[in-house]
Order: sequence, then structure tokens, then C-alpha cells
Amino acid sequence: DAKTTQPTSMDCAEGRAANLPCNHSTISGNEYVYWYRQIHSQGPQYIIHGLKNNETNEMASLIITEDRKSSTLILPHATLRDTAVYYCIVRVATYGQNFVFGPGTRLSVLP
Amino acid sequence: AAGVIQSPRHLIKEKRETATLKCYPIPRHDTVYWYQQGPGQDPQFLISFYEKMQSDKGSIPDRFSAQQFSDYHSELNMSSLELGDSALYFCASSLGDRGGEQYFGPGTRLTVT
Repeated sequence: DAKTTQPTSMDCAEGRAANLPCNHSTISGNEYVYWYRQIHSQGPQYIIHGLKNNETNEMASLIITEDRKSSTLILPHATLRDTAVYYCIVRVATYGQNFVFGPGTRLSVLP
Repeated sequence: AAGVIQSPRHLIKEKRETATLKCYPIPRHDTVYWYQQGPGQDPQFLISFYEKMQSDKGSIPDRFSAQQFSDYHSELNMSSLELGDSALYFCASSLGDRGGEQYFGPGTRLTVT
């Protein structure tokens, strides 16, 4: 699997947009970009994933650059409950393929 | 919506004992994954099953074994427990042909004393 690079930590003011970057310069053509988050000691929570087009769901938006070498997860209106470790993971979308969780970004949403 | 169920949620064992963790996937999900998360670490993949067959294997110790049953639930069996096995154990499930997102359970916290 391609490796990803994320900032170790970020702060965001409550109510503002949180933009979490991820670099994945060695991503392969058949690898998707997935985002998960883990709130303290809870099970990782799926957020969103995409291949090359931008994606949006009820939780977040995923912006992938045209060359697919980086992406940004956007939480449009961060709340205190969004404080968590956010993981950007690239992998092929086939059954049985595990996720490799890297260091991730620790997002702190501040009141 | 139904989620992944794990039992027990907490387990305390002594060294050299055995433990069995259970995972009940989201209904209709046919793939189960096991992850281990030690204190202050990121989740690490152990093993996965698709349609009751092992599909991928990670850093699972030889003392551990797992299987998936006909009703798709899975059990992780851990023998000769060591202090270093103390961790959170997460199970995740997915629908094999849905593009691969996995949904995680709340985890089992295993403490070995």
C-alpha cells in the first residue's frame, strides 16, 4: 500500500471549517483514498472515500487533487465532538483488504 | 442502523490463560477483520475472513487463531496470554462487493495481569 503523510496535530475553532491535508505521492491508479477517525478508545469510524473525483456526504467533503498525489478532508462546521485522530489511508477497494493505520492527525476542536 | 457487535466489552485474564473474543458483523456483511490497538498505538491489522475463508493475514501471533462461522460471526482465540497482549481488539465488517469500507465495532478491552 502507498504511504501517506499527515500533520501530527491541528487545532480548529468550533464552528469553523477543519481542513485536514494528506499527501500520498506514490498512490497507484487503482488505490482509493479513505478517511477514518477515532475518538478516544472508540472503534475507528468511516468518514468518506474517493478515487479521483471530489466526494461529499453528510459528514465531510473529500477533495482530491487532479494528479491524485494529495487530498484534503473538510469538516464544514467543526464541533467539539469532532475532536479525534483522523487517518488518511490509501488502498485498493477489494474484499479482505485490510487498512494500514498510520500516525494520523490529532484534531482538537477548541471552544 | 445495526452495527458491529463485540463481546465481551471488557476482559481480564492472567498470564498464560486463554481468551475468546466474539464479533457479530453488520447483517448481510460477509467479511470480517480483526485489529489490535496497544496503548498509545494505532490499530494494527491481525487477520480477515471473507465468506468463512481466511482472506488476509497481518501481524497475528501464532498463539492467536480465528475463524468465521456459517452465520458470519467470528471468534478470535488467544492462548498463552502475555502481558503485551493487553490491548483494545476491534472487529470490523464489510460487504465484500461494496468498494471496501469497513465498519468497526466498539472493541474489546483485554487486560492481562
